[in-house]
Amino acid sequence: AQSVTQLGSHVSVSEGALVLLRCNYSSSVPPYLFWYVQYPNQGLQLLLKYTSAATLVKGINGFEAEFKKSETSFHLTKPSAHMSDAAEYFCAVISESGAGSYQLTFGKGTKLSVIP
Amino acid sequence: ETGVTQTPRHLVMGMTNKKSLKCEQHLGHNAMYWYKQSAKKPLELMFVYSLEERVENNSVPSRFSPECPNSSHLFLHLHTLQPEDSALYLCASSQDRAGFSLSYNEQFFGPGTRLTVL
Repeated sequence: AQSVTQLGSHVSVSEGALVLLRCNYSSSVPPYLFWYVQYPNQGLQLLLKYTSAATLVKGINGFEAEFKKSETSFHLTKPSAHMSDAAEYFCAVISESGAGSYQLTFGKGTKLSVIP
Repeated sequence: ETGVTQTPRHLVMGMTNKKSLKCEQHLGHNAMYWYKQSAKKPLELMFVYSLEERVENNSVPSRFSPECPNSSHLFLHLHTLQPEDSALYLCASSQDRAGFSLSYNEQFFGPGTRLTVL
């Protein structure tokens, strides 16, 4: 089964600074990778997904993530943080859970705080 | 209504109460999921239904009882819960669960029900 590790349960950045949220996955070919965002008191919303078409994936709200097979990483970045980016971010990977069926495995999440 | 909806959004119940959480998806999907999200723990998959049949039960205590009467609705019946069951319960749906196709497995989440057990 796949596993997902998110380094740092809490990250703080200043408004306008670079956002970098780290995600590493256990190796499997091909991986299908996702980043979800959860705003306070809300469910999870898909930010972006890696579909093996391109290693640099652009998502909503100016976020992007780069798939690096050699590093088994899928880190999430945004050049300039905005106050509205304060939320919890989850990295996830599709893993096989049985013959012909797959499940989404989530990391523990990283809470992003943006300082004015 | 669009997407995945959940009711109620907040629920407070005693340990001897019986209550139900409801999830409805308006996406034409065939698979539905219940997740539990507790503070400082990863999202825990509880149950999976595919075409109204339960295909996965991740060692969830029997005080949680799911029901999927049709592909659009999913319930979680709660009975004699414990305070440690207090959490955010999230429902999700995907087009289908079989096959290694991204479009089949991409999950769409509801806003969750915040459950507090006293």
